[in-house]
Amino acid sequence: GQSLEQPSEVTAVEGAIVQINCTYQTSGFYGLSWYQQHDGGAPTFLSYNALDGLEETGRFSSFLSRSDSYGYLLLQELQMKDSASYFCAAIYNQGGKLIFGQGTELSVKP
Amino acid sequence: NAGVTQTPKFQVLKTGQSMTLQCAQDMNHEYMSWYRQDPGMGLRLIHYSVGAGITDQGEVPNGYNVSRSTTEDFPLRLLSAAPSQTSVYFCASTQLQGNSYEQYFGPGTRLTVT
Repeated sequence: GQSLEQPSEVTAVEGAIVQINCTYQTSGFYGLSWYQQHDGGAPTFLSYNALDGLEETGRFSSFLSRSDSYGYLLLQELQMKDSASYFCAAIYNQGGKLIFGQGTELSVKP
Repeated sequence: NAGVTQTPKFQVLKTGQSMTLQCAQDMNHEYMSWYRQDPGMGLRLIHYSVGAGITDQGEVPNGYNVSRSTTEDFPLRLLSAAPSQTSVYFCASTQLQGNSYEQYFGPGTRLTVT
């Protein structure tokens, strides 16, 4: 199969740093992407890794290790508005097929 | 530039009815996909397309058909609606070239089957 594993929920305080991990199946794997979804809304794209290493986009960074079939999303300087669901998604078949994890619900406390 | 548009936003169907969910993008993206999201769950891939005239099945294709006659449009057809198809449906378009990746989701269609 092509399933992904990520924690179901994470809680952190404002100003902190949080890391959301994701493991994926390797057969046909092309890259890993991350999305944010607020209640009732459409997912929005956050970050993408095609190669091993860290990609930084403002307060959000994403990391990929192909040898470990593992990636993570790092959120820094957490704000209340970061409370949302975060999904990792693995890209297969050279981009045609995107399989999502079950999502991690992040709660940011004051 | 409207991005990805979906119609309708809301729909109620009776069991056994058929309908088409519309999706269009104006970004000339090669790839388009349909997902369903049930409460508290991730998005599950229904069907996807890697270009006009080319479609393939995703994780949960049963009960749905798609076609891609143009780059812009990717309609999803429910053949005979069932209560198990009550869900939120998202369409997405994607452009992927090497390390460059761009993906946008439509606003979603909330479907209830009674």
